[in-house]
Amino acid sequence: GENVEQHPSTLSVQEGDSAVIKCTYSDSASNYFPWYKQELGKGPQLIIDIRSNVGEKKDQRIAVTLNKTAKHFSLHITETQPEDSAVYFCSTDGGGQGNLIFGKGTKLSVKP
Amino acid sequence: ETGVTQTPRHLVMGMTNKKSLKCEQHLGHNAMYWYKQSAKKPLELMFVYNFKEQTENNSVPSRFSPECPNSSHLFLHLHTLQPEDSALYLCASSPKGPTDTQYFGPGTRLTVL
Repeated sequence: GENVEQHPSTLSVQEGDSAVIKCTYSDSASNYFPWYKQELGKGPQLIIDIRSNVGEKKDQRIAVTLNKTAKHFSLHITETQPEDSAVYFCSTDGGGQGNLIFGKGTKLSVKP
Repeated sequence: ETGVTQTPRHLVMGMTNKKSLKCEQHLGHNAMYWYKQSAKKPLELMFVYNFKEQTENNSVPSRFSPECPNSSHLFLHLHTLQPEDSALYLCASSPKGPTDTQYFGPGTRLTVL
């Protein structure tokens, strides 16, 4: 079955810096790659997703890149703000099977 | 608010108790999910319901029993749990299936003594 590895597990940046979180997956048949943000005391919330027919997608300060050949995808946050502090999860559609397979999460701390 | 509510938010129970978790979505979605979130582990999918029919049981022990009486409500019945079942239990819904955007509730923090 699909295996999703996420790095780093914790990331601390200064406000205004960029943050990058990387994920690798094992099943080349995976086609859907969503990223979720989980704030303290809340459930995960989708922040951006990408499908295998594109290599990059942007939404304001957030971007996701996908390299299907290397089987890795990354989340990029620019001009970080304290409210970006949260746990971020990458996921895939488990080799096209449908149900999401999640990474272990990255705890991002943005210091003012 | 995501439109998905869960009750209770916190639950402490003994290993011999029987309790139920409730999830309700007001989004008109047809698919609902139960996930288990434990520290330092990925979110684990437990059950999937699509149009009130269970389509996935991810090798979950029988001490967890789901129920979906209609497309807006989802329950997780708990009995004779173990301390290792202590975790955050998250409910989610999506319009049709898992590769649509999933909307999560805030979760129920379960502690088994």
